[in-house]
Amino acid sequence: TQLLEQSPQFLSIQEGENLTVYCNSSSVFSSLQWYRQEPGEGPVLLVTVVTGGEVKKLKRLTFQFGDARKDSSLHITAAQPGDTGLYLCAGGNNRLAFGKGNQVVVIP
Amino acid sequence: EAGVAQSPRYKIIEKRQSVAFWCNPISGHATLYWYQQILGQGPKLLIQFQNNGVVDDSQLPKDRFSAERLKGVDSTLKIQPAKLEDSAVYLCASSFRGPGTEAFFGQGTRLTVV
Repeated sequence: TQLLEQSPQFLSIQEGENLTVYCNSSSVFSSLQWYRQEPGEGPVLLVTVVTGGEVKKLKRLTFQFGDARKDSSLHITAAQPGDTGLYLCAGGNNRLAFGKGNQVVVIP
Repeated sequence: EAGVAQSPRYKIIEKRQSVAFWCNPISGHATLYWYQQILGQGPKLLIQFQNNGVVDDSQLPKDRFSAERLKGVDSTLKIQPAKLEDSAVYLCASSFRGPGTEAFFGQGTRLTVV
């Protein structure tokens, strides 16, 4: 079983602050994806990381894949209220399994 | 390009009744997933199809849940009989590049069992 643990489960910050959330596993993944989900909607893909140590940037979001391809982090710089949502990591080894998510609330 | 279509959006049923959900994936996507998402948690994979064949159904409660994907396109997920703990959002997703790769989700069906 590919177990993905995300931490912290819930995070509330003020607009303009920075934050980092984590996704950890004991399994090695061929790829790892991050999604964001808003209430009443399905998850929307943000990024896929494939290579150990890879860093990808999406505007103010920075994603890093661990060297051993077992963990990942998401860093948001100068968070805005529009960043509020449930951030989900998912690992892909022939089946797409999700973590429980990081609920992020950005207060104006 | 049209996204993943699911229906209905909402469904309320009494326990022990049956219910069915429908999903139409993005055209050309061979991989189709059904997930169950309970409030406050991440999606839990129920079943995964590659074309019309089942790749993984290890977490599908087979005594009450069933799914099919005829002709490798549309899919239906059925629950019979429903229990209170089946109340959740049922998400369908599809993937072009194969199992474990980027998935595109529908809006989901919110099921309430009373």
